[in-house]
Amino acid sequence: AAGVIQSPRHLIKEKRETATLKCYPIPRHDTVYWYQQGPGQDPQFLISFYEKMQSDKGSIPDRFSAQQFSDYHSELNMSSLELGDSALYFCASRRSGLSSYEQYFGPGTRLTVT
Amino acid sequence: SQQGEEDPQALSIQEGENATMNCSYKTSINNLQWYRQNSGRGLVHLILIRSNEREKHSGRLRVTLDTSKKSSSLLITASRAADTASYFCASSGYSSASKIIFGSGTRLSIRP
Repeated sequence: AAGVIQSPRHLIKEKRETATLKCYPIPRHDTVYWYQQGPGQDPQFLISFYEKMQSDKGSIPDRFSAQQFSDYHSELNMSSLELGDSALYFCASRRSGLSSYEQYFGPGTRLTVT
Repeated sequence: SQQGEEDPQALSIQEGENATMNCSYKTSINNLQWYRQNSGRGLVHLILIRSNEREKHSGRLRVTLDTSKKSSSLLITASRAADTASYFCASSGYSSASKIIFGSGTRLSIRP
């Protein structure tokens, strides 16, 4: 079965650079979530989109922005990168309207800022 | 943590023993889920329990939910070395696009 795809899987950037992370949800899933997990930390919710509109916002820095496109894939844009942005970034998707509320997580993108 | 605490933060047991992890949450929930994560890897969904359920089983997993105490527990029976991982509880509200709020996780180590 198709799963959530994230690219790239690994990314190394320098301070003050920009990074773009991509997420391709499971087919027919219309809701995408982004989470950030720092080293030894629990995943923290960043932002979510439902039907290409932002549906919820968490602890996402102003330096980050995200959007969901017409094909439901989503991109997380990160600017002026800081050392503290080094983390695993997970994308999850689900299909609204189903009785199951399970979110399906991608394998994550490991971002290292040097 | 955005949500609450998991107890214990680390647990080391002998292979074959049972492992129990507890989780507390702060807000009203629609459901609570448990995830497993091997070191630095992705999150694997284990089980979901709805707010109107009190107990649920899946293989060697047993989850309980007490909404009056805003707490949940995950029991892994007959543990195996392959169960070594971090376990997170995560709650979700009532919105159709509701985010998941994760607890701080329990690091489980199974000694052979």
